[in-house]
Amino acid sequence: EVQLVESGGGLVQPGGSLRLSCAASGFTFGNYAMSWVRQAPGKGLEWVSGISGSRGDTYYGDSVRGRFTISRDNSKNTLYLEMNSLRAEDTAKYYCAKGYRWSYLFDSWGQGTLVTVSS
Amino acid sequence: DIQLTQSPSFLSASVGDRVTITCRASQGISNYLAWYQQKPGKAPKLLIYAASTLQSGVPSRFSGSGSGTEFTLTISSLQPEDFASYYCQQLNSHLPTFGQGTRLEIK
Repeated sequence: EVQLVESGGGLVQPGGSLRLSCAASGFTFGNYAMSWVRQAPGKGLEWVSGISGSRGDTYYGDSVRGRFTISRDNSKNTLYLEMNSLRAEDTAKYYCAKGYRWSYLFDSWGQGTLVTVSS
Repeated sequence: DIQLTQSPSFLSASVGDRVTITCRASQGISNYLAWYQQKPGKAPKLLIYAASTLQSGVPSRFSGSGSGTEFTLTISSLQPEDFASYYCQQLNSHLPTFGQGTRLEIK
């Protein structure tokens, strides 16, 4: 059974940093693209960033490019999201999601971790 | 960026009703479209991909159609567990985007 467990969320001041992790199990992690998708309170879904399986090619949404960095450690079956220069509008639940057939088709999601940016 | 516009944003219906949600893309995306269902406090669940392929385990009352710029999700006979939010997503580029969502509520 595929399991994705996010951690690292919390309250951070504007301009601060946070690192999210997503521990994966139940599948061959290195074979699949992974992404972070966020959802602000009461709002819709927004793709944040993605990373390919073996080569580790990275892609970012316009709203986070230059501030967030996605990475993965295939030996630890873990996905990361380093978030810098955080803004109030980054407040959201952050989900990690596993690619399926196509890199950005998500067949498995974690339960999410909440990031709150506020002074 | 490819924009997706869902309609309606809110839908009130009864158990047994047939409902259709539309998703329009700002440019052609072939069949690179997926539909997700999300219930309050839960992660999204993949329902349909490649515009019309039902994900394993999803009831056959769900169906999808379309190609290019216009797509539809149809639920043939609403069940109580179908009341949720639905999102379309395009996968045509390295900048995937979601529609703004359709909230389906019980009348």
